[in-house]
Amino acid sequence: SQQGEEDPQALSIQEGENATMNCSYKTSINNLQWYRQNSGRGLVHLILIRSNEREKHSGRLRVTLDTSKKSSSLLITASRAADTASYFCATDNRGSTLGRLYFGRGTQLTVWP
Amino acid sequence: DTAVSQTPKYLVTQMGNDKSIKCEQNLGHDTMYWYKQDSKKFLKIMFSYNNKELIINETVPNRFSPKSPDKAHLNLHINSLELGDSAVYFCASSQDSTGAYGYTFGSGTRLTVV
Repeated sequence: SQQGEEDPQALSIQEGENATMNCSYKTSINNLQWYRQNSGRGLVHLILIRSNEREKHSGRLRVTLDTSKKSSSLLITASRAADTASYFCATDNRGSTLGRLYFGRGTQLTVWP
Repeated sequence: DTAVSQTPKYLVTQMGNDKSIKCEQNLGHDTMYWYKQDSKKFLKIMFSYNNKELIINETVPNRFSPKSPDKAHLNLHINSLELGDSAVYFCASSQDSTGAYGYTFGSGTRLTVV
């Protein structure tokens, strides 16, 4: 299997708390991307981290990448009810056909007001 | 100002019918994709086109045929629909064929075969 796997499958927190989601993968990558999917909608690109980067920030999002452990984490700080969605990691695998992304099955995040 | 738009949003049809899903992007991207999301939210690539040229053709039944009349459009035609084809189909585009800047997705077409 070449796709990533998110952990946990589901996460339920209160507004204001931080949410951490993890992604593990099995092959060498060019980059890893995180997407958000609101119920009944398409995926929205959140952040891309390249294999030579270790950490990236975008607003309340912080992504880390550990290529030695083949894992990434997405941290959402000070969560809001509007952050409720499924979050997917996707890997651009080295040696794979250009443009092909391998998606995990996602973490369902629920933020309670 | 929708960046990637696909139609229809919902499609309910009987087994054996032929149907098409259309996708258009106004981002000026070179590459477009079709992904299938199953009931467990697993997303898998089906096809990709770069400047009207097929570059990814995943192992999907021959009943599925993509067509790209120009780089802003990628349509998906499905013949002889089966129950197992029920899923959400997403169109996406990327700046170039590397996908190195991320994808932009459409809002999906929920196909239900009865």
